[in-house]
Amino acid sequence: GEDVEQSLFLSVREGDSSVINCTYTDSSSTYLYWYKQEPGAGLQLLTYIFSNMDMKQDQRLTVLLNKKDKHLSLRIADTQTGDSAIYFCAEISGGGADGLTFGKGTHLIIQP
Amino acid sequence: GAGVSQTPSNKVTEKGKYVELRCDPISGHTALYWYRQSLGQGPEFLIYFQGTGAADDSGLPNDRFFAVRPEGSVSTLKIQRTERGDSAVYLCASSSTPDRVTGELFFGEGSRLTVL
Repeated sequence: GEDVEQSLFLSVREGDSSVINCTYTDSSSTYLYWYKQEPGAGLQLLTYIFSNMDMKQDQRLTVLLNKKDKHLSLRIADTQTGDSAIYFCAEISGGGADGLTFGKGTHLIIQP
Repeated sequence: GAGVSQTPSNKVTEKGKYVELRCDPISGHTALYWYRQSLGQGPEFLIYFQGTGAADDSGLPNDRFFAVRPEGSVSTLKIQRTERGDSAVYLCASSSTPDRVTGELFFGEGSRLTVL
């Protein structure tokens, strides 16, 4: 079955850039997503990228996709304390059967 | 309501009991999903409704799990003969489009189920 892998923790200083990495195994993935989960809140879609793109930028967020290596990254510029959360990488393949496949999530820890 | 509402937010039950978890999606959203998130894991897909029908229930782990959406709005996830391994946060999400690939999912805060 499909597998999505992420590092469990990332610690950065406030103001620095955060780069959260993700690898996936399903070569038929059509869309890849980044979701954010804050304590006591539901998952929130941050951004997504179609598999035929290699980069997408949205304000402080930059998504890079290396389809050959099946590697996805999320860069958050000028990281703020409000960015502290768990970030989930997810993928979907084909017409969406089996729903989204999520990674285990990366806890982003912001140091003052 | 403004967002996806799930009740109860917390449920503690004993092994072998029956449990119902409710999801009230965003008004007008025709697509509804249930996911399960175990401790330290990402969410896992359970079932997808388009309108009143379960279009995809391939993620339900076994026949103790069942979900309904009789009027195409509120959905109830039903778990029979609960086991300790069923302990998790059950997440509901809705979407305004039946497109499962590009449709943005709006998640509720989840129902935390603890089976003693």
